[in-house]
Amino acid sequence: QKEVEQNSGPLSVPEGAIASLNCTYSDRGSQSFFWYRQYSGKSPELIMSIYSNGDKEDGRFTAQLNKASQYVSLLIRDSQPSDSATYLCAVYSSASKIIFGSGTRLSIRP
Amino acid sequence: DGGITQSPKYLFRKEGQNVTLSCEQNLNHDAMYWYRQDPGQGLRLIYYSQIVNDFQKGDIAEGYSVSREKKESFPLTVTSAQKNPTAFYLCASTLSGDTFFGPGTRLLVL
Repeated sequence: QKEVEQNSGPLSVPEGAIASLNCTYSDRGSQSFFWYRQYSGKSPELIMSIYSNGDKEDGRFTAQLNKASQYVSLLIRDSQPSDSATYLCAVYSSASKIIFGSGTRLSIRP
Repeated sequence: DGGITQSPKYLFRKEGQNVTLSCEQNLNHDAMYWYRQDPGQGLRLIYYSQIVNDFQKGDIAEGYSVSREKKESFPLTVTSAQKNPTAFYLCASTLSGDTFFGPGTRLLVL
């Protein structure tokens, strides 16, 4: 079992709709969770971090965490073509290292 | 202007040659990381360091070496023992969980 798992996609969403990205993790001792956006050929950029169960909203982005289910998700409202990218889920594990999922490719179609 | 710098942007390695990738940060972050990304893949952890003069192997450390003599610097050497070094190399640093990346170095084999 991979430490951090994501559906590789591609996930295709019409412009203006909600994009939903999911991630599961195996280390129950993990305390911090992150979502990164990576455009082709560029380095990842941090878009959301979440540390406690529930929802955290920042503009069009909402991160959701359920530690009991070991599940993290990212919702993008009013999807724009500029949101087309690969989204990486990352977990700060109990071994004090940051582990990344393989990423989900998101495509916003006009 | 705070941030993480990596150099060079592109690096060419000949057979049997060791090459060193530079990573410098002026964010006063304690922890630094090196990741490797292959085309269409996620990030795999090579080495990480929580404090000066201490570092740990990640998931794919074979064929790589690092040093952490200064808080600001975490160079990565790709040795001749790494038989498939062509990849995008990303350096990152973190203070309290939120992790930020440098622009990356693309390593190509001649």
